[in-house]
Amino acid sequence: NAGVTQTPKFQVLKTGQSMTLQCAQDMNHEYMSWYRQDPGMGLRLIHYSVGAGITDQGEVPNGYNVSRSTTEDFPLRLLSAAPSQTSVYFCASSPPSWPRGLSGYTFGSGTRLTVV
Amino acid sequence: SQQGEEDPQALSIQEGENATMNCSYKTSINNLQWYRQNSGRGLVHLILIRSNEREKHSGRLRVTLDTSKKSSSLLITASRAADTASYFCALRGTGNQFYFGTGTSLTVIP
Repeated sequence: NAGVTQTPKFQVLKTGQSMTLQCAQDMNHEYMSWYRQDPGMGLRLIHYSVGAGITDQGEVPNGYNVSRSTTEDFPLRLLSAAPSQTSVYFCASSPPSWPRGLSGYTFGSGTRLTVV
Repeated sequence: SQQGEEDPQALSIQEGENATMNCSYKTSINNLQWYRQNSGRGLVHLILIRSNEREKHSGRLRVTLDTSKKSSSLLITASRAADTASYFCALRGTGNQFYFGTGTSLTVIP
């Protein structure tokens, strides 16, 4: 089924460990983003990409790296996990908004990360 | 802040009633979108309204936008228990990034 696939669904890390959250979409969407969702704080944008080879920072980029070597994949790397990074992480993608019209995001089902 | 702010934070209604939630924002926008999130799931896009539109309908959903007041409302008519979810407004930034508010938690009591 077409959509956004995130792996893993659940992960427990120890402080200081590193890991990569995977995100893949098969809709040929150019735009992809990573959000984290914390209770009472809504979704906050971590990093986004407007196409292969192009990434930019969002609201809360510290402690995270991204790369976009292909249109399909947009992995999020935690460099040295901290308890403050305990959250639910969502990847989302959308086709470009101009000139082909405006569109919303398609979200993945999320990765629930706990850092102990 | 580029985020929208939803109001109320929580809303509880009886099945069959209408539910109204609001989104206020501070920046100029290109468009505003509403999303639904069921518990433990990702967000689902509901409806998009452009800055030059004032009202839009989709099934039981009605969205209004008042750019002079920098506010939008989402009305769900004849609510059902399956409408129980959190609802978020999202504002598009100058690029294609979207900024989400903290959401309204809607509970529809059967």
